[in-house]
Amino acid sequence: GAVVSQHPSWVICKSGTSVKIECRSLDFQATTMFWYRQFPKQSLMLMATSNEGSKATYEQGVEKDKFLINHASLTLSTLTVTSAHPEDSSFYICSARDDRIAFGPGTRLTVT
Amino acid sequence: QKEVEQDPGPLSVPEGAIVSLNCTYSNSAFQYFMWYRQYSRKGPELLMYTYSSGNKEDGRFTAQVDKSSKYISLFIRDSQPSDSATYLCASGRNNQGGKLIFGQGTELSVKP
Repeated sequence: GAVVSQHPSWVICKSGTSVKIECRSLDFQATTMFWYRQFPKQSLMLMATSNEGSKATYEQGVEKDKFLINHASLTLSTLTVTSAHPEDSSFYICSARDDRIAFGPGTRLTVT
Repeated sequence: QKEVEQDPGPLSVPEGAIVSLNCTYSNSAFQYFMWYRQYSRKGPELLMYTYSSGNKEDGRFTAQVDKSSKYISLFIRDSQPSDSATYLCASGRNNQGGKLIFGQGTELSVKP
């Protein structure tokens, strides 16, 4: 149990465009999901807590207007990177909690 | 000071060796402690989960938590080349619904 999926697994976009990443809990409902970012050779850094039906809670230093989070249902949270820049290129990973904390497989974003 | 500190390595050992991976944490409110394994370009997968202090064993893996010294350890017995990966420790609080703070990760290489 506790399977989390992400889509897409890899995306390349041009600078200035927006990209949407989906995180789904496949076999359980998650009122709370978490979004992490991981740069090469670095650890996972929490970006925000996504709450179903309410606004996301962002960690210090994360721009809420740039990283839009929508938790529209108990099984889906989306992260939209707006006006992407090359420095936003990273590995984005979501997690959700059932009885255990499960992580998605990650989405690799490359901004050219 | 980071809330969870981990030596990034890299750590290289011969096949069959016992591997010891360690983390320290500063937040005494942390109640659960996890070890994740992450292969290159993949999402983290849960290896061990420990609540509060004590030891937990699962096959070749043993996790230890010493809350008095705020020290977390993972031991791998009879290490295999397939154990080569980055190992991340993480901690969290019960009332935060699955929010985790990660260590930097230790890159392990097991040589045949």
